[in-house]
Amino acid sequence: KNEVEQSPQNLTAQEGEFITINCSYSVGISALHWLQQHPGGGIVSLFMLSSGKKKHGRLIATINIQEKHSSLHITASHPRDSAVYICAVRFSGGSNYKLTFGKGTLLTVNP
Amino acid sequence: GAVVSQHPSRVICKSGTSVKIECRSLDFQATTMFWYRQFPKKSLMLMATSNEGSKATYEQGVEKDKFLINHASLTLSTLTVTSAHPEDSSFYICSARDWTSGSETQYFGPGTRLLVL
Repeated sequence: KNEVEQSPQNLTAQEGEFITINCSYSVGISALHWLQQHPGGGIVSLFMLSSGKKKHGRLIATINIQEKHSSLHITASHPRDSAVYICAVRFSGGSNYKLTFGKGTLLTVNP
Repeated sequence: GAVVSQHPSRVICKSGTSVKIECRSLDFQATTMFWYRQFPKKSLMLMATSNEGSKATYEQGVEKDKFLINHASLTLSTLTVTSAHPEDSSFYICSARDWTSGSETQYFGPGTRLLVL
């Protein structure tokens, strides 16, 4: 069964802390997305990875294809980073770019 | 970056009426769009894949006569919730597949919150 597991489910941090959110998947993938969803619902696509590492501002995403694992890091976290972070993958052999979603990680950054 | 819009952002309707939600890709052409549904504190659930110029592909358990999808142009897909009932109240999100950047990616709309009274 093609599954996506995220951890932790909930994460509370103090402003300035370094944050790591993890995503593991069960079988080979062709692409992995990290998404951000703020209260109110709108989804923002943060990264799409198929290998290696990507960085955008304070956000860093890494993926280890052999270990079937990806991490999203936030450096110098800020209260505005509070949101749900969702990992979504396209499993290899999947058609039409269908994505399978993790359950999300609720991040709360306190001032 | 690429933008996907949805309209309306929220809608309240009476039970038994039909509601149409639009999903537009604003600066790229999308031959494939996706419609998702999200219940409170749950992950996104794919409802159907919308292909321009052909019939949508529905996921198991999604009623095609209840959730009508039309992808008449390369920048517009619509989802019509027919004869809406309170259990159809949910957050509906679309996404669009983009090839134009040289690598395939997917952009999400801001979502439409539907409340059926």
